[in-house]
Amino acid sequence: EAGVTQSPTHLIKTRGQQATLRCSPISGHTSVYWYQQALGLGLQFLLWYDEGEERNRGNFPPRFSGRQFPNYSSELNVNALELEDSALYLCASSLVANTEAFFGQGTRLTVV
Amino acid sequence: DAKTTQPPSMDCAEGRAANLPCNHSTISGNEYVYWYRQIHSQGPQYIIHGLKNNETNEMASLIITEDRKSSTLILPHATLRDTAVYYCIVSFSGGYQKVTFGIGTKLQVIP
Repeated sequence: EAGVTQSPTHLIKTRGQQATLRCSPISGHTSVYWYQQALGLGLQFLLWYDEGEERNRGNFPPRFSGRQFPNYSSELNVNALELEDSALYLCASSLVANTEAFFGQGTRLTVV
Repeated sequence: DAKTTQPPSMDCAEGRAANLPCNHSTISGNEYVYWYRQIHSQGPQYIIHGLKNNETNEMASLIITEDRKSSTLILPHATLRDTAVYYCIVSFSGGYQKVTFGIGTKLQVIP
């Protein structure tokens, strides 16, 4: 069974550009979570999608947004990139909202 | 804000049991304790979770105190591949909403 897959693995953008990160959950999982992990820091909760709806978001500015598609895959968009947005972005999925989450390998975003 | 506190680092001799503590003194009645680990810049890996009873699986054991204010993850026979950052989190039964993983415990298994 395929795990959570994220693309691209690495992404380099310049300040002010937009970045789009993609996540495919494990088959059958309806909940998708996005986290940001800056170098040397813990995982900061970004967004939670379930059944196509945004259910909750963390303390991030509105330029961080996303969506979940009918096939439960998800996209994270970061507009007006800033240098501080450089981080590992992790996606996780779970079967339902209260079970263990399985993480992808992440997208390393570098803003220069 | 993370609702758990963990020591920033621990060492363990290979083959010995690794006991990783976690304090979650403000845990509420319907919050579960979850443990994950992250091996150098990979995605975190689920280990185990529990509500009030002790739990065991093929990877580890989870001991939760009776008052649920703390827990211990036990790796019975640590190997070099267990070197990782271990995260303890608490989560409502309604999902991982606004769960923030703290900096965790960096476990170094020493040969």
